[in-house]
Amino acid sequence: DAGVTQSPTHLIKTRGQQVTLRCSPKSGHDTVSWYQQALGQGPQFIFQYYEEEERQRGNFPDRFSGHQFPNYSSELNVNALLLGDSALYLCASSYGTTRERDEKLFFGSGTQLSVL
Amino acid sequence: GESVGLHLPTLSVQEGDNSIINCAYSNSASDYFIWYKQESGKGPQFIIDIRSNMDKRQGQRVTVLLNKTVKHLSLQIAATQPGDSAVYFCAEKEFGNEKLTFGTGTRLTIIP
Repeated sequence: DAGVTQSPTHLIKTRGQQVTLRCSPKSGHDTVSWYQQALGQGPQFIFQYYEEEERQRGNFPDRFSGHQFPNYSSELNVNALLLGDSALYLCASSYGTTRERDEKLFFGSGTQLSVL
Repeated sequence: GESVGLHLPTLSVQEGDNSIINCAYSNSASDYFIWYKQESGKGPQFIIDIRSNMDKRQGQRVTVLLNKTVKHLSLQIAATQPGDSAVYFCAEKEFGNEKLTFGTGTRLTIIP
């Protein structure tokens, strides 16, 4: 049973560039959340996607956008990169219909983004 | 804003001893709590969770205790092993809110 997979594992970009990170949820999961983890900090919620729509968003600027595809996989896009965007970007999946909710999030290993 | 914090940033425990990692939370509306273990270069790994209608839950070698009166959460690891070395995060969630709020983490080091 494949867990949450993310690609790429590492990425180096320069200020002002744009980046796209990808995530495939755990088998059977339909909900994808994205978190940003700065060095030495706990993960911070960016947004969550369910049924191909953004269900909830954290305190991140519009430069951060996402998408969920019909197969439940997801992308995180960041435009106009800043040095402060350097972090580990984590994708987490869960199962969440309107009738049954499982709160547990299962995380991927993340994409380490370095902005120079 | 609301936050989840940890009492100690680092904890060193002798191999074979029990470990206790503490966590304070401030959002009285939180009704779901979860512990994660994060090893270097990996994403957070689920350990155990608990809802606010419970005060104790046990898993394999782990126990989570919830004290809603003082807004305190703890993770107990029995017979700590070298493989338990990692950063441990507590996180909380409010009903109807999709966001998990994480603390900054406690680094657990096992002394052989």
